[in-house]
Amino acid sequence: NAGVTQTPKFRILKIGQSMTLQCAQDMNHNYMYWYRQDPGMGLKLIYYSVGAGITDKGEVPNGYNVSRSTTEDFPLRLELAAPSQTSVYFCASRWDPLSEAFFGQGTRLTVV
Amino acid sequence: TQLLEQSPQFLSIQEGENLTVYCNSSSVFSSLQWYRQEPGEGPVLLVTVVTGGEVKKLKRLTFQFGDARKDSSLHITAAQPGDTGLYLCAGVSRAGNMLTFGGGTRLMVKP
Repeated sequence: NAGVTQTPKFRILKIGQSMTLQCAQDMNHNYMYWYRQDPGMGLKLIYYSVGAGITDKGEVPNGYNVSRSTTEDFPLRLELAAPSQTSVYFCASRWDPLSEAFFGQGTRLTVV
Repeated sequence: TQLLEQSPQFLSIQEGENLTVYCNSSSVFSSLQWYRQEPGEGPVLLVTVVTGGEVKKLKRLTFQFGDARKDSSLHITAAQPGDTGLYLCAGVSRAGNMLTFGGGTRLMVKP
């Protein structure tokens, strides 16, 4: 099992550019999450999904968008990159509310 | 927003010492999880506590969920250098859909 796979691992964007961070899981999990983690800090929830076709805002959704057309994939879109979006982004999935959240390896994004 | 506050933010101790990390909120959670994160990796689950007042032990780690399900603590006995890392608490919302994290406690255990 691959678990949760994030691509790319690293990316440098210029201010105003757009990109999509990919996240795929092969565990048939309904719950999926996107977090950002600034250096030395905890994780802030950007968006989450409880199943295909259902998404909702987390704590810091501004500047981001998501879609969930399949159970497996949960891409995160940055439309107009800003320096404040420089961070490490983690995708996670879990089977149910009490189960372990499995995380990807993260995407390190720098906006210059 | 269900804010989770962890304290202390940083902790540097000598091998063999005991320590306690706290996770507090004004919100009630259906359950609470503790994760540990190594540099360059995603967090990995240590434990899930569900019932108010619940205590769980994992070798030298003891986890407690507050009676009102608003707070939790992690106690490490006789800390070892291998315990070094970022410890994160995460609350599961009452609806069960959101998983929000605290700011983390960075622990360094010196030999």
